[in-house]
Amino acid sequence: EVQLVESGGAWVQPGRSLRLSCVVSGLTFNDYAMHWVRQAPGKGLEWLSYINWNSEKIAYADSVKGRFTISRDNAKNSLYLQMNSLRAEDTALYYCAKDVEFNPYGGMDVWGQGTTVTVSS
Amino acid sequence: EVVLTQSPGTLSLSLGERATLSCRASQSVRSNYLAWYQHKPGQAPRFLIHAASHRATGIPDRFSGSGSGTDFTLTISRLEPEDFAVYYCQQYGNSPYTFGQGTKLEIK
Repeated sequence: EVQLVESGGAWVQPGRSLRLSCVVSGLTFNDYAMHWVRQAPGKGLEWLSYINWNSEKIAYADSVKGRFTISRDNAKNSLYLQMNSLRAEDTALYYCAKDVEFNPYGGMDVWGQGTTVTVSS
Repeated sequence: EVVLTQSPGTLSLSLGERATLSCRASQSVRSNYLAWYQHKPGQAPRFLIHAASHRATGIPDRFSGSGSGTDFTLTISRLEPEDFAVYYCQQYGNSPYTFGQGTKLEIK
C-alpha cells in the first residue's frame, strides 16, 4: 500500500521558519514527481510547488515563491518543504501528493493526510 | 497564471440524479492537462479524472470528464450517497499549477 506521511507542522510566530517533511512508502519514490498543496481554514485547495524525480524541474506558486523551497532526498524516500518568512496567511493544512509520472505532468493520484501549520503571534 | 472558475458554487441534488460541474479556464490549458478531485472533510483529496477525460484507477464509471481548451465538465451520472463532497478542478498544463475554488455538491 502506498503511504505518504507528513510531519513538521507546528504553531510558529510570523517571520519564523518551519520545515515540513513527507515520508513515502510502498513505491519506488524516485520514479515520481511530488507536490505540496495546502488548504487554509474554510478555503479551497491551493497548489504550492512541484519537484520532478531528479530535482531538475521545480516550480512554485506566486504566493510562496522566494519564501518556500521544495526538495527531496530519494535515498530517504522523503520530500521536504522549507518555509521561511512565514505569514499569518500561511496558516493551513499542508498536504504532500504524489504525481502519476516522474515529471509533474500527470495529476496527483496519492495524497497524505496533511500536517497543520499555524502562524500567529 | 491560469485562473480556473468553477460553477456553480453549490449544487443541491437528490440521490440518483445527474450532476454536471463546470470548470472554465482563463486561457487554454496546455494538452488539456486538467484534473478533477473529490474532497471530503477530514480526508485527503481523491484523484478522479486526469487529462480532462481519463478516469483514474478505481474510479467508478458514473464519473466522467469532458472538455478541452478552456471549458471542462465533470459529470456524475447517478448520484450515490458517498458522492456528496467538494469537487475541485486543477490544471497542470501551465506553471504555476492552479485549482478552481471548488463546487460543493450537497444532498437536496
